[in-house]
Amino acid sequence: AQKVTQAQTEISVVEKEDVTLDCVYETRDTTYYLFWYKQPPSGELVFLIRRNSFDEQNEISGRYSWNFQKSTSSFNFTITASQVVDSAVYFCALSDMDSNYQLIWGAGTKLIIKP
Amino acid sequence: ETGVTQTPRHLVMGMTNKKSLKCEQHLGHNAMYWYKQSAKKPLELMFVYNFKEQTENNSVPSRFSPECPNSSHLFLHLHTLQPEDSALYLCASSPLDREGEKLFFGSGTQLSVL
Repeated sequence: AQKVTQAQTEISVVEKEDVTLDCVYETRDTTYYLFWYKQPPSGELVFLIRRNSFDEQNEISGRYSWNFQKSTSSFNFTITASQVVDSAVYFCALSDMDSNYQLIWGAGTKLIIKP
Repeated sequence: ETGVTQTPRHLVMGMTNKKSLKCEQHLGHNAMYWYKQSAKKPLELMFVYNFKEQTENNSVPSRFSPECPNSSHLFLHLHTLQPEDSALYLCASSPLDREGEKLFFGSGTQLSVL
């Protein structure tokens, strides 16, 4: 069965530090999609990225970068030079044929950026 | 105007009350979703509607009753709830692009059942 594991329940760093949020997934499908969402204190989940299983290129968007490694079934998210506004809960998710392409969510990692 | 709007933001109800949560999307999407988010638990998908037709019902108790009158509006009717139903209820929409659905969420309704 599919599964998404975010082993870090909470991470606390000081502003300007780099921080990596881990995500490990399990699926039997060869075609699948991986996602990261951000949930700030306001409650609304905000889409950050979607990658398909055939595209292992790492992606960078400003201070955000994602490292997709099929060999370790991981899709880690790094924030460079963190800012207080990055404080939020971050969710990793997977969708595949087995799930009828509905999202399988990780438990989330709460990121606290201290000034 | 935000893409997905949910009302009310907060709701307190007794176990014998009947209330409804409302969701409206202004993104032209064809799929809408209800999720439940409880403390210390992963997000739980409750219902999915594609083109106004319900396509997923993840064993949700009948005290939760969804309604999707058109592709832009989604309701969740609540009756005789239990205290364990207290949670953040999130509505989402997606374009149905068949490439792993990218969801757009509302801010949620924080529900407390007394």
